Amino acid sequence: DQQVKQNSPSLSVQEGRISILNCDYTNSMFDYFLWYKKYPAEGPTFLISISSIKDKNEDGRFTVFLNKSAKHLSLHIVPSQPGDSAVYFCAATNSGNTPLVFGKGTRLSVIA
Amino acid sequence: DVKVTQSSRYLVKRTGEKVFLECVQDMDHENMFWYRQDPGLGLRLIYFSYDVKMKEKGDIPEGYSVSREKKERFSLILESASTNQTSMYLCASSLPHRRAQETQYFGPGTRLLVL
Repeated sequence: DQQVKQNSPSLSVQEGRISILNCDYTNSMFDYFLWYKKYPAEGPTFLISISSIKDKNEDGRFTVFLNKSAKHLSLHIVPSQPGDSAVYFCAATNSGNTPLVFGKGTRLSVIA
Repeated sequence: DVKVTQSSRYLVKRTGEKVFLECVQDMDHENMFWYRQDPGLGLRLIYFSYDVKMKEKGDIPEGYSVSREKKERFSLILESASTNQTSMYLCASSLPHRRAQETQYFGPGTRLLVL
């Protein structure tokens, strides 16, 4: 019973183009969403987050969009760079002291 | 700068051995977590702790135990290692209050091979 789903295991994008990574969730109690990036042989690092009171959050080349009615969020990377090649994990939580629930990850490859 | 360190980057153990994985954070974080990462399965929560001496089961606690005797240190114990515990183990820590606690800081991971 996956509460956070990343249905694309992998994505390949040309350098300079937009990368769009998708994430769906089933638990309507989730009110805070995060994206983590992971390089091989390293731990995940926090990238960007969004609260359920917003529908968009931007940080440089990274923008996260939240569609609460569809229980869907997406991460946009513009322009994509070879250094963005990594596994991206979507995560969600509800208010209070509950652990993050992670998706299975999407491997992004940015081709020069 | 938050730092989470794990005692070993690579570990090879034999079936039936008792294995200790250590994690230390230097940011005075209350919350600490242990995950394992497997291909196609993502990050799965094994155990977590919100305070010294406290522990809570995650999604896959079977075959594992934990110890939190000091705030900065969270140990994962495999009582009797089995081959299906071959995995990448990731430790994380975070602050406790409502928004900051969701941003977890991860260590570099320990890749464990059980033969």
